[in-house]
Amino acid sequence: DAGVTQSPTHLIKTRGQQVTLRCSPKSGHDTVSWYQQALGQGPQFIFQYYEEEERQRGNFPDRFSGHQFPNYSSELNVNALLLGDSALYLCASSLRGNSYEQYFGPGTRLTVT
Amino acid sequence: SQQGEEDPQALSIQEGENATMNCSYKTSINNLQWYRQNSGRGLVHLILIRSNEREKHSGRLRVTLDTSKKSSSLLITASRAADTASYFCATLSGSYDKVIFGPGTSLSVIP
Repeated sequence: DAGVTQSPTHLIKTRGQQVTLRCSPKSGHDTVSWYQQALGQGPQFIFQYYEEEERQRGNFPDRFSGHQFPNYSSELNVNALLLGDSALYLCASSLRGNSYEQYFGPGTRLTVT
Repeated sequence: SQQGEEDPQALSIQEGENATMNCSYKTSINNLQWYRQNSGRGLVHLILIRSNEREKHSGRLRVTLDTSKKSSSLLITASRAADTASYFCATLSGSYDKVIFGPGTSLSVIP
């Protein structure tokens, strides 16, 4: 049973560029949430997708956008990258639009130079 | 913004000792969860306690919840070196169970 997978593992981008991160949920899960975790801090909720729609959103600017596909996989897009966007981006999957017992992927480490 | 605040920020103990971490939060919650994270990797769900529960056990883990004080504690008994990790509490609140993590407690268990 495959868990949550994320790609790529590491990514280095330049300020002003755009980036797309990908997530495949755990088998049987239909809800995907994205988090940003800066070094030494707890994860910060970005947004959650369920039934291909953004259900709720954290305090992140519109530069952060996402998408969920019919197979429940998801993408996180960040435009006009800033140095402060450097972080570990975590994807978590769960069932039926709730956040109980989320299963997290290993994360994508994004470095913006 | 972070609703949960863990205390202490860092904890170092000898193998076999018990480790206690505390979490305080600000607003009413539906549920509270504890997660573990090893070396900046993905988080692992440990335990969920509902707002109408006061205590819950899972193996060597014991979680308490005091909604009147808006606080929770995680006790790890008979710690092992493999328990070395960061531990986060996460509160779930609102109609869509919005998840808010605290800054975490870094636990080091010395063999």
